[in-house]
Parts: sequence; C-alpha cells; structure tokens
Amino acid sequence: DTGVSQDPRHKITKRGQNVTFRCDPISEHNRLYWYRQTLGQGPEFLTYFQNEAQLEKSRLLSDRFSAERPKGSFSTLEIQRTEQGDSAMYLCASSLTAHEQYFGPGTRLTVT
Amino acid sequence: KNEVEQSPQNLTAQEGEFITINCSYSVGISALHWLQQHPGGGIVSLFMLSSGKKKHGRLIATINIQEKHSSLHITASHPRDSAVYICAVRFDDKIIFGKGTRLHILP
Repeated sequence: DTGVSQDPRHKITKRGQNVTFRCDPISEHNRLYWYRQTLGQGPEFLTYFQNEAQLEKSRLLSDRFSAERPKGSFSTLEIQRTEQGDSAMYLCASSLTAHEQYFGPGTRLTVT
Repeated sequence: KNEVEQSPQNLTAQEGEFITINCSYSVGISALHWLQQHPGGGIVSLFMLSSGKKKHGRLIATINIQEKHSSLHITASHPRDSAVYICAVRFDDKIIFGKGTRLHILP
C-alpha cells in the first residue's frame, strides 16, 4: 500500500492523559500536514513540515500539542493533558508539490 | 466570517438526479480542491482546479476566478455518491476548508 497511513485509527483516552499519533506519508513526499476535524466542520490546519522542518503552526496548536518529523519521513503528533475539547478526527496529508495533497484515513480521538 | 462558504449544507436527492454543490471564497487563491469524505473519515481528492473546468467520469468541477466561485456537479447520481463533499482553497501555503456539503442519494 503506497498511500498515507495513520496509526491508531481510533483512540479513546481519559481526560488528562497524553496521546501520540503517527503518520506515515507517501514515501517520496517531502511535505506533511496535520489537520483537525470536529463534527460537522471542515478540517482545520494545525501544522506543516517540509522535510524535517516544521515551517508553520496554527494558533489552534496550543502548547499541549507538539508535532515532530525527526527524519523527514514519518511524523508524530502528541497531545499532552488531553481535554474533552480535543476530541476530533486528526488527519494527516502529504504532498510532493505545493498543491496536491493526499490524505490519510485519520485518527479519531475520543477524550472521556 | 468564513473564508470558504459551501451550499447547500445538506442535500438529499433521488438516484439519477443531477447534483450541484457550490463553493464561494473570499481570498485570492492559487488553487481550489474538491474533496470527498466518506463516513469513516477518509478523504479523497477529487479535483484540483486553478481555472476552467475538469471532468472525471460523472463528476465535473468548474471554477470562475473572477467571481471567486466553484461548482461541483454529479451527473446520474448514485447512492454510492453519498458522502460529504468539501471545497478547499489554497492561498500562500495555506489551505482553508469549507464545512462540507452532506450529500445523500436515495435509491
């Protein structure tokens, strides 16, 4: 399978716990994006990497959120001290150019 | 104010009907995307447009840059077309998404 993959697909956690999600982009893609989508809304931009450099972060990405892409391949998104408002679908996308993005299946987070 | 507005928000139609979903935006863009999202959450890119019109199978997407408007059309709609259709615009290096149009095609 050569598409974007995300792990896990679903995560249920208790408020206050830390969670980490992983995204594996299409192998030759140098750009990687994280988005968050809440129910009934379109995705919202969180952050973007070009290779291993994190080039932009949304104001939505509070200090409880951190993303890394240490070797310019896979990326992780960590949420510390989760809150119920963090419940959402977290989407990853990758691209080779500045235009076409390919989306992963998403990780659905439920904070209880 | 949302920078990307889609209409309608919800649409139910009978199988075979011609479907139109509209997208208006307020910023200068370099490209516009139409995406399809299925109930499981997976997103598939349908079209990327910067001008004119594109067709793929029963799907047609048009864009009018001057009017800052795009439409997605589905001909001979089928229940398997039921999904959320999202318009997204790219400007600078950002993408802004609309809230989506939930389409339900009845058999």
